Amino acid sequence: IQMTQSPSSLSASVGDRVTITCRTSQGIGSYLNWYQQKPGKAPKLLIYAASSLQSGVPSRFSGSGSGTDFTLTISNLQPEDFATYYCQQSYSTPLTFGGGTKVEI
Amino acid sequence: QVQLQQWGAGLLRPSETLSLTCAVYGGSFSGYYWNWIRQPPGKGLEWIGDINHRGSTEYSPSLKGRVTISVDTSQNRYSLNLNSVTAADTAVYYCARGRGPGSSIWGQGTMVTVSS
Repeated sequence: IQMTQSPSSLSASVGDRVTITCRTSQGIGSYLNWYQQKPGKAPKLLIYAASSLQSGVPSRFSGSGSGTDFTLTISNLQPEDFATYYCQQSYSTPLTFGGGTKVEI
Repeated sequence: QVQLQQWGAGLLRPSETLSLTCAVYGGSFSGYYWNWIRQPPGKGLEWIGDINHRGSTEYSPSLKGRVTISVDTSQNRYSLNLNSVTAADTAVYYCARGRGPGSSIWGQGTMVTVSS
């Protein structure tokens, strides 16, 4: 399953609302996960099953979508949110990731 | 809480075999999928494959034929072997737990460099 994530990068300011989209080449129901990765660190799971917030993740992160089109929204962007974000489908193997979105100041 | 600790050789020559091990501490090995994922320098994430506690495996087609993932449930650990490595296999390799609901627990990552 091919993953198309957009944009590949974006510039934003603290307090902004940011939206990242992920499109899959075939329907995957809600088997879509979102990760945040900071330089030199392992990815961190933010959202699983398209819209479920992983324990401990701030509520300013939200996910939506089903089928082939998905969205990650960060409301009220905070300084610690500047990172790279990846979507991943877990509907079928091989699991695949989007190309990533770098959120910069 | 559950932690993953991984180790293995960090520098390989072309044609050698990459071997990494990931140990699971503080939780059950049963009932989960255990993944290997890699990330070339400056690039995105690539799923290598996974295994469950029964030893059932799935591999990425792009690596099938070179990759083997095995499990030792008695020691709560699993391993990755990738043979005939080339410079294209240079990456940070991660172990991680989970499949359907995502991977919520990750190892610290191991940088593997393939160079002559």
